[in-house]
Amino acid sequence: ETGVTQTPRHLVMGMTNKKSLKCEQHLGHNAMYWYKQSAKKPLELMFVYNFKEQTENNSVPSRFSPECPNSSHLFLHLHTLQPEDSALYLCASSQGMTGYEQYFGPGTRLTVT
Amino acid sequence: TQLLEQSPQFLSIQEGENLTVYCNSSSVFSSLQWYRQEPGEGPVLLVTVVTGGEVKKLKRLTFQFGDARKDSSLHITAAQPGDTGLYLCAGVGNYGQNFVFGPGTRLSVLP
Repeated sequence: ETGVTQTPRHLVMGMTNKKSLKCEQHLGHNAMYWYKQSAKKPLELMFVYNFKEQTENNSVPSRFSPECPNSSHLFLHLHTLQPEDSALYLCASSQGMTGYEQYFGPGTRLTVT
Repeated sequence: TQLLEQSPQFLSIQEGENLTVYCNSSSVFSSLQWYRQEPGEGPVLLVTVVTGGEVKKLKRLTFQFGDARKDSSLHITAAQPGDTGLYLCAGVGNYGQNFVFGPGTRLSVLP
């Protein structure tokens, strides 16, 4: 247990569905992250939030919409996804921004059919 | 864009053998971290190296940061099946950019 939980652990959705991924950290950290991990690419940073404010959006398509209501919770809203969006989506948190140890959740394995 | 390369991509060895995996870049990093990821889990931090030439030991694992802070290596002595996993290096840019991850080395230690 790293103190970061993610739900659901597995998700299968059609291209017309709308779903949300949830992440919660119990570590009192200030920064939270969404990463995408697919078989053919290195871990890709998608979004960064620091004190609930989005500080980075790495050219992620608008079909991915993050939400950070407070420093402990992070959501990733999904709609009209493509099959190439199938991947492991990892949430992480850290005490501060640059260079701090990141604690990762177990991920959500997403399959888009 | 700062990129990290890792080699080898895959490594399969017998229990008890020694191994070294590498993380290389043409860019300078202010710090570099190594993570291990097991199947079905997220990456877990092993070590952070900050100073060029720094060597850190964690039981059977030895980490080295290159003098120029562009590369790093991880050496495992007497590998055990429990060392099996994906080893990722991640660098923080010299100007405070967020982490850039390498593609990883997938290690399999056979009993």
